[in-house]
Amino acid sequence: QSVLTQPPSVSAAPGQKVTISCSGSSSNIGNNYVSWYQQLPGTAPKLLIYENNKRPSGIPDRFSGSKSGTSATLGITGLQTGDEADYYCGTWDSSLSAGKGVFGGGTKLTVL
Amino acid sequence: QVQLVESGGGVVQPGRSLRLSCAASGFTFSSYGMHWVRQAPGKGLEWVAVISYDGSNKYYADSVKGRFTISRDNSKNTLYLQMNSLRAEDTAVYYCAKGSHLVATMRGIDYWGQGTLVTVSS
Repeated sequence: QSVLTQPPSVSAAPGQKVTISCSGSSSNIGNNYVSWYQQLPGTAPKLLIYENNKRPSGIPDRFSGSKSGTSATLGITGLQTGDEADYYCGTWDSSLSAGKGVFGGGTKLTVL
Repeated sequence: QVQLVESGGGVVQPGRSLRLSCAASGFTFSSYGMHWVRQAPGKGLEWVAVISYDGSNKYYADSVKGRFTISRDNSKNTLYLQMNSLRAEDTAVYYCAKGSHLVATMRGIDYWGQGTLVTVSS
């Protein structure tokens, strides 16, 4: 059971928009930055969004991130078949004992 | 360009030890926190450990605390993960990854290695 909750799967048609949610708590998302990762089949993860809403160079503006309270959202517009992948949110969890990194369980995006 | 190359994976019996290494290049290694993240076959990402830029701060996932040790040698641009008392549930691809900041936190992990497979089996 992941500390961060993501929907197992989402789907949409090419050209459409999709959002992926990531729900946490005050000890993690509520008080720390959120990042998002794309993992294409058989490859290493790739950073899409860092510090809630910033895109690394080379990431198209079709990808966007937002955070509100203890939840975060990844948005993808103009869906392409090449966007079919697993998407993960991640953040720091500042619990009582010691901090730790945490990921969501992942969301499989299908472009119909 | 940033390169992270893991080595040291393989098949190991339960209860034994293994040390992973990660050779870094293409950036100022001593200026960034570094992570280990693993992925069991067919499963999602699991964060394992992080070390600050100078090695002074280290944090671990509950599942590996007391068994795994993260370390770094900035003179060799190399990250390590010493894994002791290995269990079947430690079987996974282990990724070495670069943090986007110097401290041991998770603002973003901006570069990942290709991973090395560790299989714990008798």
